[in-house]
Amino acid sequence: AQSVAQPEDQVNVAEGNPLTVKCTYSVSGNPYLFWYVQYPNRGLQFLLKYITGDNLVKGSYGFEAEFNKSQTSFHLKKPSALVSDSALYFCAVSDFFSGGYNKLIFGAGTRLAVHP
Amino acid sequence: GAGVSQSPSNKVTEKGKDVELRCDPISGHTALYWYRQSLGQGLEFLIYFQGNSAPDKSGLPSDRFSAERTGGSVSTLTIQRTQQEDSAVYLCASSLALGQGMQETQYFGPGTRLLVL
Repeated sequence: AQSVAQPEDQVNVAEGNPLTVKCTYSVSGNPYLFWYVQYPNRGLQFLLKYITGDNLVKGSYGFEAEFNKSQTSFHLKKPSALVSDSALYFCAVSDFFSGGYNKLIFGAGTRLAVHP
Repeated sequence: GAGVSQSPSNKVTEKGKDVELRCDPISGHTALYWYRQSLGQGLEFLIYFQGNSAPDKSGLPSDRFSAERTGGSVSTLTIQRTQQEDSAVYLCASSLALGQGMQETQYFGPGTRLLVL
């Protein structure tokens, strides 16, 4: 079965510093990986996805993620954090192979706190 | 264009009452998903619609939960005889139909926050 792990409940970073939010996955077959962000009392907003191709994926709001097959990781990164990036971040893998549709399996989420 | 909308945004109900949650997907999106976000369980899949049919209902927690979709558009999630453990945020997402080998992005609505007293 597909699964996703986000090992950090919370990540703290100073504004202007680079940030990394970690994600590792376990899948059978090729992984389809996603990052979403959730602001307070809001739904999930899509940031980026990896399907195939370049291992470095660029997404919304200056975020990027690096797919690493050997380490089964898909860490989210941003070169310079903003206070407004503070939110809850979810990594997800598609359970495509179980049914031929895009059922998402989510990690537990990582709360990012960017301090001024 | 308009995103996924859900109503109501908040719902407070008494244990034992029935509730209906509505999802209006992005126009043209034939795939529709319901998820539940709760403190204890995180984000979990409930049900998937392709058009008006639901080929995967495996995530529905009990037979008190049901969902339907009409006209290939609006979907309603119904919880009968609500229990306190049903308290959660119910999220709806929609996407284009999957092409072979393609992974269409799911776009989420703002959710309905359900509190069962």
